[in-house]
Amino acid sequence: KQEVTQIPAALSVPEGENLVLNCSFTDSAIYNLQWFRQDPGKGLTSLLLIQSSQREQTSGRLNASLDKSSGRSTLYIAASQPGDSATYLCAVRRGQKVTFGTGTKLQVIP
Amino acid sequence: DAGVTQSPTHLIKTRGQQVTLRCSPKSGHDTVSWYQQALGQGPQFIFQYYEEEERQRGNFPDRFSGHQFPNYSSELNVNALLLGDSALYLCASSLGQLAKNIQYFGAGTRLSVL
Repeated sequence: KQEVTQIPAALSVPEGENLVLNCSFTDSAIYNLQWFRQDPGKGLTSLLLIQSSQREQTSGRLNASLDKSSGRSTLYIAASQPGDSATYLCAVRRGQKVTFGTGTKLQVIP
Repeated sequence: DAGVTQSPTHLIKTRGQQVTLRCSPKSGHDTVSWYQQALGQGPQFIFQYYEEEERQRGNFPDRFSGHQFPNYSSELNVNALLLGDSALYLCASSLGQLAKNIQYFGAGTRLSVL
């Protein structure tokens, strides 16, 4: 059974700092890994999707890496802003089944 | 281009009742997945519908059932509601079942069971 863990559960940083969010998974036989953002009480917004054959994806200030063999992914956020405050979730997909982590709640302090 | 839309946005039910949640996929998408997200947890996969059939199911009891219509919209039905069914229910759509296809999520339906 796939298990996805995200560390830390919560993070508070001052504006402008670079930060790294971690995601680990137990079964490396995945098709892809996706990072999402979720604002309180809202749905999920897809940030980055990394296919199993890829090592990283970049979008603006965000960079996600994937090391499938070790079961790890990181989401790097450069020059954090208060608007980045949200919960960040990673999800791994195998077949049609997607398994989510419990998320990292990020607060960026102005 | 409308994204994934879910209705209603909020719902309050009592134990033992039945509920139906609705989802319209993003335009052009034919695959719908449903997730349950309890407070403070990540979403849990309930099931997926493609070509009007349930294709994959997560670890949820038979009280949870669904349907997909010819226009690709979908319903999630939950019978004999329990307090523990209180959660945010998310619908996601994608085009086909290829793993490379990104899932787009709706804003969810928040269900409270009293």
